[in-house]
Amino acid sequence: NAGVTQTPKFQVLKTGQSMTLQCAQDMNHEYMSWYRQDPGMGLRLIHYSVGAGITDQGEVPNGYNVSRSTTEDFPLRLLSAAPSQTSVYFCASSYSRFKGVAGAGELFFGEGSRLTVL
Amino acid sequence: AQKITQTQPGMFVQEKEAVTLDCTYDTSDPSYGLFWYKQPSSGEMIFLIYQGSYDQQNATEGRYSLNFQKARKSANLVISASQLGDSAMYFCAMREGSAYNTDKLIFGTGTRLQVFP
Repeated sequence: NAGVTQTPKFQVLKTGQSMTLQCAQDMNHEYMSWYRQDPGMGLRLIHYSVGAGITDQGEVPNGYNVSRSTTEDFPLRLLSAAPSQTSVYFCASSYSRFKGVAGAGELFFGEGSRLTVL
Repeated sequence: AQKITQTQPGMFVQEKEAVTLDCTYDTSDPSYGLFWYKQPSSGEMIFLIYQGSYDQQNATEGRYSLNFQKARKSANLVISASQLGDSAMYFCAMREGSAYNTDKLIFGTGTRLQVFP
């Protein structure tokens, strides 16, 4: 059972470079999201998606783009990396309660991707 | 706007003792869910427990229980009989239950728990 898979686990970028963090889930979850974790600030929501073709901004979307062409994949793109984007990034997915699914609807997280921008 | 507050940056507890991690929330939505996650030093996020706003009883999962006080807007995590393996960062999170967009989770800043022998 793969669950939520994030790649790469570690990445070092130079300021101005672009990259894509990949996220894939095999649980047929409608909802997917990206968070960044910084010391003392908890997890902050970057972007999220309630289904294929639908994305929306979270709390800290600036500098990041997302797309959702399939249910399984939700890549996060950094178009021009900045040192302020040095962080640990988590992808997470869940069943969508908007679709009427019962239960807690807890998020399932990937293992995280540690990004350093020099 | 919804908000989650964890006022304890760090907590210490002796092995086998109980500990309470505080969480307060703010929302105007009558329907919401509250979650606790554990993040050990290895970095993964582990779901511990959930409480729905309409649940009549406090949630329990093994040694974890959620002390839900709706009027005070608090959802404290109680860990009984602490173990060394409980040393980790703990995050409280909330999801509002409005008709649209019911899936977003907002997290607090976390509490680092250290269990000592």
